[in-house]
Amino acid sequence: NAGVTQTPKFQVLKTGQSMTLQCAQDMNHEYMSWYRQDPGMGLRLIHYSVGAGITDQGEVPNGYNVSRSTTEDFPLRLLSAAPSQTSVYFCASSYSVQETQYFGPGTRLLVL
Amino acid sequence: RKEVEQDPGPFNVPEGATVAFNCTYSNSASQSFFWYRQDCRKEPKLLMSVYSSGNEDGRFTAQLNRASQYISLLIRDSKLSDSATYLCVVNRYGYALNFGKGTSLLVTP
Repeated sequence: NAGVTQTPKFQVLKTGQSMTLQCAQDMNHEYMSWYRQDPGMGLRLIHYSVGAGITDQGEVPNGYNVSRSTTEDFPLRLLSAAPSQTSVYFCASSYSVQETQYFGPGTRLLVL
Repeated sequence: RKEVEQDPGPFNVPEGATVAFNCTYSNSASQSFFWYRQDCRKEPKLLMSVYSSGNEDGRFTAQLNRASQYISLLIRDSKLSDSATYLCVVNRYGYALNFGKGTSLLVTP
């Protein structure tokens, strides 16, 4: 099992550009989520999904969109990148929202 | 008030020392508790779940005090490889996990 994979590992964007961060898991987990981690702020939940076709907002959803067309994939879209979105983004998955979460290796994003 | 609060540290301890971290949570309806470990520039990984009766995994002991709403993690005989950030995680049924900001530990030779 590859576990949770994320691409790209690093990305530099200019303000206003859009991009999609990819996340995939091969553990047949229903629950998937996106976090951002900033110095001094800890992990903050952006969006989450309890199953294919179902998504919901977390603590900091503004500027991000998600979709969940399959159990395996949960892409995060930045609509119009802003410097405030410079961060490390982690995708995570688990069997349910209460269970142990398995994190991907992260995507480091710099918005200039 | 944040739902989960931790002393950010850093805790600097020599090899072989015993170190304890505490974490407090604000919601008395919280039901699940975990400690995650995060190495520098890596993803968080589950260290251990925390059970009501307390539990131990090798050199690591986790305790839960529901009345006072705090969780602790004790590390005995610290190793250099224990240097990391330790995240306290709390969960209510039906809600997403709540992560503390983490406590940084540096074990020195």
